[in-house]
Amino acid sequence: QVQLQESGPGLVKPSGTLSLTCAVSGGSISSTNWWNWVRQPPGKGLEWIGKIYHSGSTNYDPSLKSRVTISVDKSKNQFSLKLSTVTAADTAVYYCAREYCTNVVCSPTHSYGLDVWGQGTTVTVSS
Amino acid sequence: DIQMTQSPSTLSASVGDRVTITCRASQSISSWLAWYQQKPGKAPKLLIYKASDLETGVPSRFSGSGSGTEFTLTISSLQPDDFATYYCQQYNSYPWTFGQGTKVEIK
Repeated sequence: QVQLQESGPGLVKPSGTLSLTCAVSGGSISSTNWWNWVRQPPGKGLEWIGKIYHSGSTNYDPSLKSRVTISVDKSKNQFSLKLSTVTAADTAVYYCAREYCTNVVCSPTHSYGLDVWGQGTTVTVSS
Repeated sequence: DIQMTQSPSTLSASVGDRVTITCRASQSISSWLAWYQQKPGKAPKLLIYKASDLETGVPSRFSGSGSGTEFTLTISSLQPDDFATYYCQQYNSYPWTFGQGTKVEIK
């Protein structure tokens, strides 16, 4: 079965760039599924950041769009998140997650939710 | 953005109780709603998608209903493993948004 594993620095300086990678095992990133990033600030709820298809197509939360880049590396079967100009408000547990889709476009009709999640990685923004 | 509002924020219940959590969307999302369970220090777990479809492997005591703007998650007989926080999430339109969560506590 598909498993996801996040990795990256746990501490980022303010105004710096947060960079995380999600390794996909047990399945190919080049499937009909989309690959997502979700975060959870300490003691708070879940926030969707964005998602990517193996072709490179993306969808981002507009509130983060100017600072976010999600990319895919098919040769390594992994995808990545970069968040620039970070502040303390970006301190959170970051999760990668698979959206199970039965169609390339993955309209709601063809989406079966975020069915596989990584364990999460804590990123703290502090000097 | 579509705002998702869950109620209650906290729920105290006993093992064996029937529990219902409500999620309201600020505009119609048809049936494009998922429910997740999250335990402390763990990643969320998908329970239900498309408002009422049970994810494979999820116990049948969990059920979902609703469409449009009002949805419910019901646990028919609360088990010790069910004490957790539950989130709804809409995937009708971008950006996807989650409810603020409902914590189910032991009474």
